[in-house]
Amino acid sequence: EMMLTQSPGTLSLSPGERATLSCRASQTVNSNYLAWYQHKTGQAPRLLIYGVFNRATGIPDRFSASGSGTDFTLTISRLEPEDFAVYYCQHYGSSPLTFGPGTKVDVK
Amino acid sequence: EVQLVEFGGGLVQSGGSLRLSCAASGFTFSSYSMNWLRQSPGKELEWISYISSSSDIIYYADSVKGRFTISRDNAKNSLYLQMNSLRDDDTAVYYCGRDKRDPTWYFDLWGRGTLVTVSS
Repeated sequence: EMMLTQSPGTLSLSPGERATLSCRASQTVNSNYLAWYQHKTGQAPRLLIYGVFNRATGIPDRFSASGSGTDFTLTISRLEPEDFAVYYCQHYGSSPLTFGPGTKVDVK
Repeated sequence: EVQLVEFGGGLVQSGGSLRLSCAASGFTFSSYSMNWLRQSPGKELEWISYISSSSDIIYYADSVKGRFTISRDNAKNSLYLQMNSLRDDDTAVYYCGRDKRDPTWYFDLWGRGTLVTVSS
């Protein structure tokens, strides 16, 4: 089973700052099958990114992602107030698909 | 509005049963495969079951195989999860998640979740 680790656990930033979130896989992610989600307490998780770098429908371009192999990054160029949330990575290139433990982005 | 709404969660005793539902609206439900996922307190999100758009293909995670049954009613735009022989470690928020007709295995629409608490 592929394990995903995310760092940092918590990222404390101010609106307007840049956020860089890391997701590391225990094995090479097949065919770059990696996604990112945003989750706010009490709300539905929201797909942000699929296929490592493809933004989902309606996702603003301040969200970008990159990576390959075992190391992946989600970047929020300038944090908006609505971006403070927990972010999860997920691999889907092999069974079982798994999620990382999440990075919480909170207000400094 | 395009949305998924889960309901049916609650408090149940260990060994008991519960049936979750997920109501879909705002899109052609019958054109999508569907999934159940869950998140237990302090743990990662976990995929637990998949059903194809026409219900002909079904998968389960090992953790629920033989105890949980996924089903859907396209006429009612609804997805279900029958949970039997519930254990303490089934305590979680349960989410339904949408995938494409031919599954991509990432989920482009989720509900807000419903909480299931299993008490011994």
